[in-house]
Amino acid sequence: NAGVTQTPKFQVLKTGQSMTLQCAQDMNHEYMSWYRQDPGMGLRLIHYSVGAGITDQGEVPNGYNVSRSTTEDFPLRLLSAAPSQTSVYFCASSYSRDQGYEQYFGPGTRLTVT
Amino acid sequence: AQKVTQAQTEISVVEKEDVTLDCVYETRDTTYYLFWYKQPPSGELVFLIRRNSFDEQNEISGRYSWNFQKSTSSFNFTITASQVVDSAVYFCALGASGGYQKVTFGTGTKLQVIP
Repeated sequence: NAGVTQTPKFQVLKTGQSMTLQCAQDMNHEYMSWYRQDPGMGLRLIHYSVGAGITDQGEVPNGYNVSRSTTEDFPLRLLSAAPSQTSVYFCASSYSRDQGYEQYFGPGTRLTVT
Repeated sequence: AQKVTQAQTEISVVEKEDVTLDCVYETRDTTYYLFWYKQPPSGELVFLIRRNSFDEQNEISGRYSWNFQKSTSSFNFTITASQVVDSAVYFCALGASGGYQKVTFGTGTKLQVIP
């Protein structure tokens, strides 16, 4: 199993550009999430999904969109990049609560917006 | 609202010393889950342990041990005989009980083990 994969690993954008961060998992997990990690702030939840076709907002959703058309994929779209979105982005997947639901993380995408 | 506090921002210890990382949480849920994750310098996040709120037994895994005390809302992590490979940022996290079980992370404790 590859686990959780993310692409790209690094990305530099100019203010106003849009892009999609890719995330895929091959563990048949129901739940998937996107977090951003900023210095001194831990991980903050951006969006999450409890299954294909179902998504919801987390703590810091503004400026980001998600969709989940398949169990495996959960892309994160930056609509119009801003310097405040410079961060490291992690995708995670997990089983449902009854199955333990510890999260498995991808390797992260380091995004810089200039 | 859920909250996780890791008051220790950075800790430095000399190799072979024991070290305890503190985690204090706040939640109104009666059922919840606590986690510890490790983030080594390479940047990936590695799951270490999950604990259910109804299971207060302490756990030991090799040099790692966890002390869960509901009375003080704490879930502390001890590394015995620390090694350089333990150098990392450690995150404590709290999962809600209902629905999606949103997970709230603490701000992390950076542990540096000096050889």
